[in-house]
Amino acid sequence: GQQVMQIPQYQHVQEGEDFTTYCNSSTTLSNIQWYKQRPGGHPVFLIQLVKSGEVKKQKRLTFQFGEAKKNSSLHITATQTTDVGTYFCAGLNNQGGKLIFGQGTELSVKP
Amino acid sequence: DTEVTQTPKHLVMGMTNKKSLKCEQHMGHRAMYWYKQKAKKPPELMFVYSYEKLSINESVPSRFSPECPNSSLLNLHLHALQPEDSALYLCASSQGVGFNQPQHFGDGTRLSIL
Repeated sequence: GQQVMQIPQYQHVQEGEDFTTYCNSSTTLSNIQWYKQRPGGHPVFLIQLVKSGEVKKQKRLTFQFGEAKKNSSLHITATQTTDVGTYFCAGLNNQGGKLIFGQGTELSVKP
Repeated sequence: DTEVTQTPKHLVMGMTNKKSLKCEQHMGHRAMYWYKQKAKKPPELMFVYSYEKLSINESVPSRFSPECPNSSLLNLHLHALQPEDSALYLCASSQGVGFNQPQHFGDGTRLSIL
């Protein structure tokens, strides 16, 4: 079945450093969503990417969708302690079906 | 603040108990979801309701019984649960039907089975 692999599993950074998490799908996706879950909290929708090669920015966050629509990345510039949490990608394949979540990347930021 | 409200926030129950989890949204969303999330893992889809009708059941054991009384409410009835059912249970809703819609999650119910 469809799988969405996400790496790294954990990332520890010093405040001010950049951070990137990557997702790869075994099949072509129709769209990919990104969620953030703070420790003890619930997933919060960040963004959805639909078009091949799409790049979207939200302040210090940059989201990319690959040309083949099989991979995606989230890049945070100059991390802050408020960025702490687990970032999940979730992809929907071209044949419909349900959203497949990646395993998540847990980000910790040292002040 | 979340616009999807879940109660209770915490629940401890024995394996022979019957309890219910409740979820409410007033955003006019037409799809509602139940997820189970274990620590350090992604949410796992359990059920989907579209226009108040059960559209997806991810082969969930019958000890979990969902109910959608109206377009704003979603319940999850629990009976004879097992210790491995201890988890965070998340409710979510989306404006439209289909997984190409952003999902809005509630704070969840942290369930512990003794």
